[in-house]
Amino acid sequence: DTAVSQTPKYLVTQMGNDKSIKCEQNLGHDTMYWYKQDSKKFLKIMFSYNNKELIINETVPNRFSPKSPDKAHLNLHINSLELGDSAVYFCASRQVAWTSGRAGTGELFFGEGSRLTVL
Amino acid sequence: GENVEQHPSTLSVQEGDSAVIKCTYSDSASNYFPWYKQELGKRPQLIIDIRSNVGEKKDQRIAVTLNKTAKHFSLHITETQPEDSAVYFCAAMIRSNDYKLSFGAGTTVTVRA
Repeated sequence: DTAVSQTPKYLVTQMGNDKSIKCEQNLGHDTMYWYKQDSKKFLKIMFSYNNKELIINETVPNRFSPKSPDKAHLNLHINSLELGDSAVYFCASRQVAWTSGRAGTGELFFGEGSRLTVL
Repeated sequence: GENVEQHPSTLSVQEGDSAVIKCTYSDSASNYFPWYKQELGKRPQLIIDIRSNVGEKKDQRIAVTLNKTAKHFSLHITETQPEDSAVYFCAAMIRSNDYKLSFGAGTTVTVRA
């Protein structure tokens, strides 16, 4: 069973197009994230949702619009794609709130990544 | 927010030798420090973590040390093997119920056979 799954794995598109990436986690976590990893490998946080509520928005252009229909899903829609958007986008989840009398471990579980190439 | 610096950016070691990666953090309130390993083309995965109430933690060939006074922590890999070749990321979080995990820039480790 895949804990954090995202689709598609590969995305090749032209500049100016709009595309979406979907993410689902079956770990029962309350918080989900989108990270962008560029060619230099740096993991940059973009967004975080806790129980469908936007918690972190790291000065990402408003061409990027996340949507969390429920706490198990976090999708990313990108409008008017630019060359600089080419990267690997990782979805991740973790448990933040206390459950069963214990705090979340803090471990972040990543999806397999979606490689976006803008031509 | 937390700022994490990681050194070196690349590290090449002979198989069997040790590898050490160092990170510093800026916020003295940080209390959780995980390390992630990312193999080529794969997702980052947690390999070890440490909380601020301990100074050292070991798991087989990997260990992490934490110096709260100096605000730095290190990953030590002993008896390196080819499968240790990967990008390693350190990270810091202010508290375990915080939302933001700040990553270092990563260290590409290459183990030469």
